[in-house]
Amino acid sequence: RKEVEQDPGPFNVPEGATVAFNCTYSNSASQSFFWYRQDCRKEPKLLMSVYSSGNEDGRFTAQLNRASQYISLLIRDSKLSDSATYLCVVNMKPGYSSASKIIFGSGTRLSIRP
Amino acid sequence: GEEVAQTPKHLVRGEGQKAKLYCAPIKGHSYVFWYQQVLKNEFKFLISFQNENVFDETGMPKERFSAKCLPNSPCSLEIQATKLEDSAVYFCASSQPGGQRTDTQYFGPGTRLTVL
Repeated sequence: RKEVEQDPGPFNVPEGATVAFNCTYSNSASQSFFWYRQDCRKEPKLLMSVYSSGNEDGRFTAQLNRASQYISLLIRDSKLSDSATYLCVVNMKPGYSSASKIIFGSGTRLSIRP
Repeated sequence: GEEVAQTPKHLVRGEGQKAKLYCAPIKGHSYVFWYQQVLKNEFKFLISFQNENVFDETGMPKERFSAKCLPNSPCSLEIQATKLEDSAVYFCASSQPGGQRTDTQYFGPGTRLTVL
C-alpha cells in the first residue's frame, strides 16, 4: 500500500461545479498536510496547508480527519483556470527541529470544461 | 533570491554521458530537497540537505547519483553514466529552518533531462 494515496482521476466537470478530492495516508504519525497544484509539468505550487481540523481560502476548503487518516480538498464554483493536477502531500517529520520527510501522492487530474 | 532557481532548464544527454543539474535555494532557506518526476506524475524523493550536510539520502540510487550543497555555491545533482530511465524532470525545493516552517517546500522550475 502506498503511503499517500489519491484518486488519479481525471475529474472532468463543468465550470461552476463543486468538486472534491480525497487523499489517504498510512502513517498515523504524519504531522502536516498540504495540497499543491501542478500545471502542465511545471513546478508544484503550494495551494493550501492543512494544519488542524481544516481551513478555507476563498473557493478552496481543505479538511483533515486524523482519526480516519484522510484529507480532502473542496473546490467551489470551479473556474477554467482550476484545471491542473492536485497533489496531496504529507509530511512525516520525525522530530520538531528536523527537516521534512515529504511524501507525495500521485496526483488527481482535474479538467474544467466550459 | 526570492525563488528557487534551477539550471539548466533542459538537458539532453546520450546514454552513458554525465549530467549535472544545479539548484540555488531561496536566500535564507537551510533545507534543500531533490525530487525526480517521471511521466506518470510520481514524485520520487532523492535526497535532502541541511545547509551543506546530507540530511536524508534514502532515495538516492547509490551507484550513479551524487549530490552536494557547498557553501556559497549552488547545490548540484550529478548523474554519472546516464541511462534511459533517468529521463525525467528533476525538481529542487527549499524550505526555511525551524519549526513548522520547514514543512512548506518551495519548488524550482525543474530541469528536464532527456537521455537518448
